[in-house]
Amino acid sequence: AQKITQTQPGMFVQEKEAVTLDCTYDTSDPSYGLFWYKQPSSGEMIFLIYQGSYDQQNATEGRYSLNFQKARKSANLVISASQLGDSAMYFCAMREPNSGAGSYQLTFGKGTKLSVIP
Amino acid sequence: DTGVSQDPRHKITKRGQNVTFRCDPISEHNRLYWYRQTLGQGPEFLTYFQNEAQLEKSRLLSDRFSAERPKGSFSTLEIQRTEQGDSAMYLCASSLSASEYGYTFGSGTRLTVV
Repeated sequence: AQKITQTQPGMFVQEKEAVTLDCTYDTSDPSYGLFWYKQPSSGEMIFLIYQGSYDQQNATEGRYSLNFQKARKSANLVISASQLGDSAMYFCAMREPNSGAGSYQLTFGKGTKLSVIP
Repeated sequence: DTGVSQDPRHKITKRGQNVTFRCDPISEHNRLYWYRQTLGQGPEFLTYFQNEAQLEKSRLLSDRFSAERPKGSFSTLEIQRTEQGDSAMYLCASSLSASEYGYTFGSGTRLTVV
């Protein structure tokens, strides 16, 4: 079973509008971390936002916010006021503590391709 | 030092040849990771170093793959007898031990095996 599910292969959004990218996860550990990364065509993975499983409030970083619904095991990324430069692949990822040897390895979803329309 | 550097950015090789990639992490980061990303997929974990010790390897890392981090600084990933299925983006990342906020990734090396 997939640990991270991103059900939207592609999304379109009008410039200056808000967009929500979906992510659901599966874990039995009470302690875990959830991440969103942006990957432009250049290939580099750019960290956007982090949410810990014990964090009481939803994480926010500038125009990015994470809608964390623990009971539903969802961690959707909200991008407000979309810009043309937001066009990229977006990946949701999870870190679990029992990934072995203290590696903090991440498990990624398949990604969502976001296209911002002028 | 402004980030994680990977060299080369692109590599085209014939099937059966050996290739080696290099990763230079952020200088104060003691943890280093290699991931592989195939077309249409997210990155998948390959291996992890803490300083010079390779502490974890994924089952994706077949015996044709070897990674080293000899002095706890840069790392190399070698693939012997390349196969077409090895075509992918190879991403390196680094982090501090105490960091909870994921890692800093490099721009990757795109390998094409023909």
